[in-house]
Amino acid sequence: GAVVSQHPSWVICKSGTSVKIECRSLDFQATTMFWYRQFPKQSLMLMATSNEGSKATYEQGVEKDKFLINHASLTLSTLTVTSAHPEDSSFYICSARDYRLAEINEQFFGPGTRLTVL
Amino acid sequence: GNSVTQMEGPVTLSEEAFLTINCTYTATGYPSLFWYVQYPGEGLQLLLKATKADDKGSNKGFEATYRKETTSFHLEKGSVQVSDSAVYFCAFPSGNTPLVFGKGTRLSVIA
Repeated sequence: GAVVSQHPSWVICKSGTSVKIECRSLDFQATTMFWYRQFPKQSLMLMATSNEGSKATYEQGVEKDKFLINHASLTLSTLTVTSAHPEDSSFYICSARDYRLAEINEQFFGPGTRLTVL
Repeated sequence: GNSVTQMEGPVTLSEEAFLTINCTYTATGYPSLFWYVQYPGEGLQLLLKATKADDKGSNKGFEATYRKETTSFHLEKGSVQVSDSAVYFCAFPSGNTPLVFGKGTRLSVIA
C-alpha cells in the first residue's frame, strides 16, 4: 500500500514551452502533497505544499507564476512548469501524506520526474 | 529551529563492511524519525522508522534506534552489499509541515 506515482518519469522539452507533471496517490487519499526539486548530488528542496481544494503554499524564492500547482482531488496533484528554461532542468519529486497516518506525519514519495529543457 | 545533521559523505566501503551513518536532530518534542533511501535515478523510499523513544526501526538488515537522550537516530548495517549503494536521508516531521531532511549521505559499496 501507500504507492505514489509520477508521470512522466522523464521529459525533454524546448525552451519556452510548458510541461505538466502529475503526482497520484494510487491506494490512499492524500490531503496534502508536497513538491520538491533536487539538483544533482544534493538534498531535496521543498518548493510548495499542496492541500486538496485550496491554493498551494510556496516556499520563499519559488515563483508561483512559474511553477503552477493544482490539487483538485484527494489523489492527484499537478505541477506545471511554465515557459521552461534550461535552468529549470532538474529532478522533481512529489510526496503525499495519508491523513490516516497524520499522527506520525509519514510521507510517501513518488519516483521522480527528470525534466531537461533544451 | 528544527534541523537534522547527518554525517557528510561520500562514504565508501568494501562489501561486507559495517556501516554507521550518524544522524542527530534538533526538534521540539519527540517526533517520529525516518530514514529514507534514494537509489540512483529514483525517488525516495522509506527505509525504516521509529515513532517513540527507544524504538528500533529495522528493514533489509538496516537498523536505527531512537535515542532521546542524545537526540540521535544513527543508521547501522552489519554487512553492506553493493546493492546498498545509494543516498540515505535522515528526516522527521515538524508539526503539520513537510519533513525536515538532512543533507543526505552518499554510500558507495565496492566489491
